[in-house]
Amino acid sequence: NAGVTQTPKFRVLKTGQSMTLLCAQDMNHEYMYWYRQDPGMGLRLIHYSVGEGTTAKGEVPDGYNVSRLKKQNFLLGLESAAPSQTSVYFCASSEAGGNTGELFFGEGSRLTVL
Amino acid sequence: GENVEQHPSTLSVQEGDSAVIKCTYSDSASNYFPWYKQELGKGPQLIIDIRSNVGEKKDQRIAVTLNKTAKHFSLHITETQPEDSAVYFCAASVGYGKLTFGQGTILTVHP
Repeated sequence: NAGVTQTPKFRVLKTGQSMTLLCAQDMNHEYMYWYRQDPGMGLRLIHYSVGEGTTAKGEVPDGYNVSRLKKQNFLLGLESAAPSQTSVYFCASSEAGGNTGELFFGEGSRLTVL
Repeated sequence: GENVEQHPSTLSVQEGDSAVIKCTYSDSASNYFPWYKQELGKGPQLIIDIRSNVGEKKDQRIAVTLNKTAKHFSLHITETQPEDSAVYFCAASVGYGKLTFGQGTILTVHP
């Protein structure tokens, strides 16, 4: 049981390039999330999804797009990367929404934008 | 939106001592408060959580307390061990599992 798997784990981009981060979960969870982690700022929610075919904006959505075409996958796209998007990105999933529900995180994807 | 403040940012203790990390939140509608532990190179992992109808919860060496009136909650780790060294995050939720995280505390336990 792999849990939440993120690919790639590391990536270096030049300013203006595009890329997609893939998140896959094998727990049949309805909810999925993308967070970014920056030093001294904790984890900030970028986008999230409450089910297949749905997406919603989080706290810091600008410069990112997402898609949830299949229940088990949640893609995070950067159309034109900027140095401010250098960060560690974490995908997470949860079984239930509402006000409870443990989030299961992947191991992170470290992105550097030069 | 919700704002969560976490203190201290770093905490260094001797093995066997207790460690306390404190968080405050701004949105009175928040009613779920989890704590996550992140080890180096890993994603965060839930260690304990508390809901707004409970004032205190304990699980072996870790405990969490919640004061809804003051809008603050704390993590207490007793009898610390070197393997407790990690980054700890508090969080608050107002719904749909959308957690707002604190800034994190780097805990170092010296043998």
